Amino acid sequence: DADVTQTPRNRITKTGKRIMLECSQTKGHDRMYWYRQDPGLGLRLIYYSFDVKDINKGEISDGYSVSRQAQAKFSLSLESAIPNQTALYFCATSDSGQPGKGYEQYFGPGTRLTVT
Amino acid sequence: DQQVKQNSPSLSVQEGRISILNCDYTNSMFDYFLWYKKYPAEGPTFLISISSIKDKNEDGRFTVFLNKSAKHLSLHIVPSQPGDSAVYFCAASDGNMLTFGGGTRLMVKP
Repeated sequence: DADVTQTPRNRITKTGKRIMLECSQTKGHDRMYWYRQDPGLGLRLIYYSFDVKDINKGEISDGYSVSRQAQAKFSLSLESAIPNQTALYFCATSDSGQPGKGYEQYFGPGTRLTVT
Repeated sequence: DQQVKQNSPSLSVQEGRISILNCDYTNSMFDYFLWYKKYPAEGPTFLISISSIKDKNEDGRFTVFLNKSAKHLSLHIVPSQPGDSAVYFCAASDGNMLTFGGGTRLMVKP
């Protein structure tokens, strides 16, 4: 079974709709992240959370919100989707308590979102 | 302005030869560097890393070199295999977050 899961894997939605992407992990990690991938731009950080009560904006948070419902769950919402939010979205986790390994992030399989 | 850059969007090499992927960074606060590999329809997976106190780290066919004065790192794959065909991302850490480069698509031809 996958350690980091994302639902849905694919989603097509219309401009103006609210959409939620969900991420769950069984790795027991405390830190979770949301990224989007666009061609040629790599992965850009949207939001991150270092524990359940800690939420921080990343490089490109405008138009997005997040919720850390539990240590294992971190959801990303697009309040009113627009076409330039069409992208691949990845959730990732890391373990701050692992000496020398805290930098490594483990990624889910991604959600392909299309906004028409 | 991108703090981590991979200037070659694609690279094609013959099976058995060396693949060299390059990455440049601008932020002197980065203290740890990582390479990730990504296949289509999958998330990136960790490949190899290096601390800023080292200049080389080797793991099997994969070696990462760090030149701090030039703010440059490279990933060497020897020998290259068709299964290495993927997109490779370099990433740099400031202790909390990772900043990723734009990726290089490696194609290894049989």
